Amino acid sequence: DSGVTQTPKHLITATGQRVTLRCSPRSGDLSVYWYQQSLDQGLQFLIQYYNGEERAKGNILERFSAQQFPDLHSELNLSSLELGDSALYFCASNRRQGGDYGYTFGSGTRLTVV
Amino acid sequence: TQLLEQSPQFLSIQEGENLTVYCNSSSVFSSLQWYRQEPGEGPVLLVTVVTGGEVKKLKRLTFQFGDARKDSSLHITAAQPGDTGLYLCAGGLGGFAGYALNFGKGTSLLVTP
Repeated sequence: DSGVTQTPKHLITATGQRVTLRCSPRSGDLSVYWYQQSLDQGLQFLIQYYNGEERAKGNILERFSAQQFPDLHSELNLSSLELGDSALYFCASNRRQGGDYGYTFGSGTRLTVV
Repeated sequence: TQLLEQSPQFLSIQEGENLTVYCNSSSVFSSLQWYRQEPGEGPVLLVTVVTGGEVKKLKRLTFQFGDARKDSSLHITAAQPGDTGLYLCAGGLGGFAGYALNFGKGTSLLVTP
């Protein structure tokens, strides 16, 4: 157990639907990062939150949004889902705002859009 | 845009062999990290290198950061089946505003007994 908890582990939904992925960071970690992993693109950075505020944005589609709550858990909302959104979605956390502390990843949510 | 290129993409070797995996970029990174990922799990951090020319050892794994901080290598001595997995390098762009990591696509390693 890495200490980063992601739910659900698996999600199957239809095109056009909306889903919410949840992440609880490791205790004491203020930053939460969301990544999408697909076979052809590898791990792609989506968005980062630090202590409730958005800090960095990557290749996140407009149909996707995220937030971090006061208790530091984060949710990634994916809407108007398309077949191409099928992927593994990982959440990671680390302790420092910058610096060299590595990420601790959760086990991911496997999203299948049918 | 893939900032980090990893090679080889796939590697299948026998137990006891040595191997080297490369991670190259045209960008300079404040730090570089190596992760190992097993099927169905998230990546697990192996090491972070921050100084150009730095060498770090983790049992049979040796990590090196290039002098210009644009590339890195991972060398495994006497590989074992337990080393099987996807090895990912990730470059940190640093800065107070955020610390997003850019990942390479990975090297998938299979070590057979």
